[in-house]
Amino acid sequence: GEDVEQSLFLSVREGDSSVINCTYTDSSSTYLYWYKQEPGAGLQLLTYIFSNMDMKQDQRLTVLLNKKDKHLSLRIADTQTGDSAIYFCAGGSNAGNMLTFGGGTRLMVKP
Amino acid sequence: DTGVSQNPRHKITKRGQNVTFRCDPISEHNRLYWYRQTLGQGPEFLTYFQNEAQLEKSRLLSDRFSAERPKGSFSTLEIQRTEQGDSAMYLCASSLVGNLEQFFGPGTRLTVL
Repeated sequence: GEDVEQSLFLSVREGDSSVINCTYTDSSSTYLYWYKQEPGAGLQLLTYIFSNMDMKQDQRLTVLLNKKDKHLSLRIADTQTGDSAIYFCAGGSNAGNMLTFGGGTRLMVKP
Repeated sequence: DTGVSQNPRHKITKRGQNVTFRCDPISEHNRLYWYRQTLGQGPEFLTYFQNEAQLEKSRLLSDRFSAERPKGSFSTLEIQRTEQGDSAMYLCASSLVGNLEQFFGPGTRLTVL
């Protein structure tokens, strides 16, 4: 099965860029996702990337995928205090699209 | 329609009791997923339905767990003879076939004493 690893914690200052990293073992994931989880709220999909893409940009979010190293990153530009949350990367496949999540990275944004 | 809803939001039970959770997906969503999230971890896939058919079950889903989606709309997840290790947040998600986004509910937090 798939293993997805993330660093536990990241702290940045408001206005800086944040980069959250993820590594995965199973190259059969067709799609790779980034979800955000705030206290007391459900998981919210931020963005996703197809496994045949290298980069995707969506407003303040940039996703980079290095298939050779099986490394996925999420860059948040101009990080705001409202971005403080836990961020999960996840892999999914065509059939059924059951998601395999990493352990999450807690992002703390200091004013 | 305000999204995926789950009931109850919190459940406290004693070891050995049975519990049942309900998930109401977004209308028209034909796929429904159950995940379990323990403290400090990411969600783990348990099972999913396409319409009323249960198409995949994780090895995590022991024989004490059963899930149903009898009419292809809401789903229930039952845990029999609960154990302390079952304490977790149980998340439900729904999607349309062919759509990549799974919409998650707020979860049911189970505490087994």
